[in-house]
Amino acid sequence: NAGVTQTPKFRILKIGQSMTLQCTQDMNHNYMYWYRQDPGMGLKLIYYSVGAGITDKGEVPNGYNVSRSTTEDFPLRLELAAPSQTSVYFCASSYSEKETQYFGPGTRLLVL
Amino acid sequence: TQLLEQSPQFLSIQEGENLTVYCNSSSVFSSLQWYRQEPGEGPVLLVTVVTGGEVKKLKRLTFQFGDARKDSSLHITAAQPGDTGLYLCAGALAGNMLTFGGGTRLMVKP
Repeated sequence: NAGVTQTPKFRILKIGQSMTLQCTQDMNHNYMYWYRQDPGMGLKLIYYSVGAGITDKGEVPNGYNVSRSTTEDFPLRLELAAPSQTSVYFCASSYSEKETQYFGPGTRLLVL
Repeated sequence: TQLLEQSPQFLSIQEGENLTVYCNSSSVFSSLQWYRQEPGEGPVLLVTVVTGGEVKKLKRLTFQFGDARKDSSLHITAAQPGDTGLYLCAGALAGNMLTFGGGTRLMVKP
């Protein structure tokens, strides 16, 4: 199993540009999450999904959108990139809401 | 204010020293997890504790869940440079998802 994979690993965006961060898991987990981690800080939940077709907002959803058309994929969309969105983005998945979360390697995003 | 408060936020020690980091809350958790995140990687689960007063050992790491299930501690004996990283606790409230603390960043100098 590859676990949780994320692409790209690193991206530089100009202010106002848009992009999609990809996340795929091969563990057949129902739950998937997107977090952002600012330098030296913990994790903040952006969006999560409890299954295909179901998504919900986390702590910091503004400026982001998600979709979950399949169990495996959970892309995160930034429509109008802002410098405040410079961060490292982690995707994670779990069997249920209380079980171990398995994290991807992260996408480092720089908005200039 | 975070649901889970971790302390200290930063810790820099010499190789061979012992240390304890704390994870505290006013809420009761059904379970609590500890993750370690190494630089440039995602967090990885170290342990899950579910019973009040439970103690789990993982080599030189000792994890304890408070009797009231509101707090937890991680004690590292004879720290090694390989222990360097961000330690995150995450608690599960009944009927809710995991919530992560702010983390303790540990640096162990050779």
